[in-house]
Amino acid sequence: DAKTTQPPSMDCAEGRAANLPCNHSTISGNEYVYWYRQIHSQGPQYIIHGLKNNETNEMASLIITEDRKSSTLILPHATLRDTVVYYCIVIRDDKIIFGKGTRLHILP
Amino acid sequence: NAGVTQTPKFQVLKTGQSMTLQCAQDMNHEYMSWYRQDPGMGLRLIHYSVGAGITDQGEVPNGYNVSRSTTEDFPLRLLSAAPSQTSVYFCASRVRQGGDYGYTFGSGTRLTVV
Repeated sequence: DAKTTQPPSMDCAEGRAANLPCNHSTISGNEYVYWYRQIHSQGPQYIIHGLKNNETNEMASLIITEDRKSSTLILPHATLRDTVVYYCIVIRDDKIIFGKGTRLHILP
Repeated sequence: NAGVTQTPKFQVLKTGQSMTLQCAQDMNHEYMSWYRQDPGMGLRLIHYSVGAGITDQGEVPNGYNVSRSTTEDFPLRLLSAAPSQTSVYFCASRVRQGGDYGYTFGSGTRLTVV
């Protein structure tokens, strides 16, 4: 299974950029990295995904290292509503194996 | 397009009772899966299906059965509920082919077994 490793928690000041790292050293060449967020006890919500190039959408940016073994989710201007859990996942053989994710704390 | 619909949203069962958690999607997605989430934990894969008539086990399949008779529906059955099955259950679906498709999750079913 394609495991990912994330820090269990991170702090970020409100209004600053939040940079959430993820290690996915066993990723294969055609596997995408996906990021989801989960508000308490709700279903995970899609944020962004990428293969090898950096990606940006209205919610976030995704930076993937050249060797594809790690990535960083960037929330450009963190707000208190961003205080949720973020999951970095790789889909392998049609299966997602979730880690525990990163709980982001936005400090006012 | 309702996405992924789970019913019921809440359920309380007595130990030993059986029940079926319903999951339906209207996006013609081939792939569907069930996860459970315990407090402070990530989601764990219970069972998944890559198409009608095809199912397979995930990380924690014991105590659960699934079937996939149609593309739209993927019910999860608890045969004899146990307190250890108290959890929040999420259903998810995706288009199977290709790597550039993410998952859509339902809003969850909160199950308590007493």
